[in-house]
Amino acid sequence: DQQVKQNSPSLSVQEGRISILNCDYTNSMFDYFLWYKKYPAEGPTFLISISSIKDKNEDGRFTVFLNKSAKHLSLHIVPSQPGDSAVYFCAASALGGSGDKLTFGTGTRLAVRP
Amino acid sequence: DVKVTQSSRYLVKRTGEKVFLECVQDMDHENMFWYRQDPGLGLRLIYFSYDVKMKEKGDIPEGYSVSREKKERFSLILESASTNQTSMYLCASSLRQLASPYEQYFGPGTRLTVT
Repeated sequence: DQQVKQNSPSLSVQEGRISILNCDYTNSMFDYFLWYKKYPAEGPTFLISISSIKDKNEDGRFTVFLNKSAKHLSLHIVPSQPGDSAVYFCAASALGGSGDKLTFGTGTRLAVRP
Repeated sequence: DVKVTQSSRYLVKRTGEKVFLECVQDMDHENMFWYRQDPGLGLRLIYFSYDVKMKEKGDIPEGYSVSREKKERFSLILESASTNQTSMYLCASSLRQLASPYEQYFGPGTRLTVT
């Protein structure tokens, strides 16, 4: 039972254009969402997060949008750079849940072409 | 600078061997986690611990056990390794925050191959 889904396993974008990575969730108890980036042979690193009381959070080139009614979030990267090429995981948490667990999606591999 | 270290980057073991994966964090975090990452399946939680000597099962605990004797160290144990446990194993830690979940900090991972 995949509670957090990333339906696109891969995405290819031209340098300078916008990258949009999507994530859907099924558990209505989730109320905090995070995006992680992972390079090969390294552990994931935190990128950006959003609470369910917001619908947008921006940090430099990265913006996360949350649509609670659709149980959908997206990560926008503008402009995309070759160094953004990595696997991106979305993750979700239910506040007050046991041990601050995160449920991760399956990941989307982003390739930014020079 | 925060740091999570894992004892090995690459490990090759034989079927039936007992395997220990060690993880150490230097951030005084209460929570520690073990995940495995497999293609097409993302990161799946094996076990986590929110305090010394405390542990809870994650989504896929079968075939694994854990030990947390000290706050900074969290060990994953494969009692009898099997080929379907060949995977990338990732350790993470985070602060315990009941009001808002803090991001998790990950180690570099251990690529385990069971032959």
